[in-house]
Amino acid sequence: RKEVEQDPGPFNVPEGATVAFNCTYSNSASQSFFWYRQDCRKEPKLLMSVYSSGNEDGRFTAQLNRASQYISLLIRDSKLSDSATYLCVVNRGGSYIPTFGRGTSLIVHP
Amino acid sequence: GAVVSQHPSRVICKSGTSVKIECRSLDFQATTMFWYRQFPKQSLMLMATSNEGSKATYEQGVEKDKFLINHASLTLSTLTVTSAHPEDSSFYICSARTGDSGNTIYFGEGSWLTVV
Repeated sequence: RKEVEQDPGPFNVPEGATVAFNCTYSNSASQSFFWYRQDCRKEPKLLMSVYSSGNEDGRFTAQLNRASQYISLLIRDSKLSDSATYLCVVNRGGSYIPTFGRGTSLIVHP
Repeated sequence: GAVVSQHPSRVICKSGTSVKIECRSLDFQATTMFWYRQFPKQSLMLMATSNEGSKATYEQGVEKDKFLINHASLTLSTLTVTSAHPEDSSFYICSARTGDSGNTIYFGEGSWLTVV
């Protein structure tokens, strides 16, 4: 089983739609979780950290489910500019070494 | 957020030659830097973890003699691809961890390497 798994998509949604991605991780000792956004042929950029209690930043909501070992990202009112690949990042259990999922591709169309 | 600069952004080299990529943290001291490689439509694959002043820790399957990593200062790490071959062509990207900000990492802009 891979350390971090994501559905590669693509998720093809109209503007204004709500879309959610999940990411599962294998190491129950992992403590730090993040969502990054990567545009084509560019470096990843931090979108948001994921906290145990869940957190929201504008149209973006991240949640952590430790029991089932997954994190989620919810995007409300999708914009064309949200089109990108969303990378789930989980630090290896007991360390600060980040492990990346392969990313979920989102395409928002008019 | 913290700024990480990577250079060169693009490089083309001949098969058999060596290429050096630099990664600099511009406004903070990075005790740890990470080097990744990403093939098209694939995830970032961690190659090695680089700690200032010590030898890099390589991931399984990554040849340490081929991918030389040096982290001589708190603001600079270098990756040298030695005796490059066409299959080494990829997107190489570094990231740095700010020691006092928990586990957030910041990425350099990445380097596109093409070996012809």
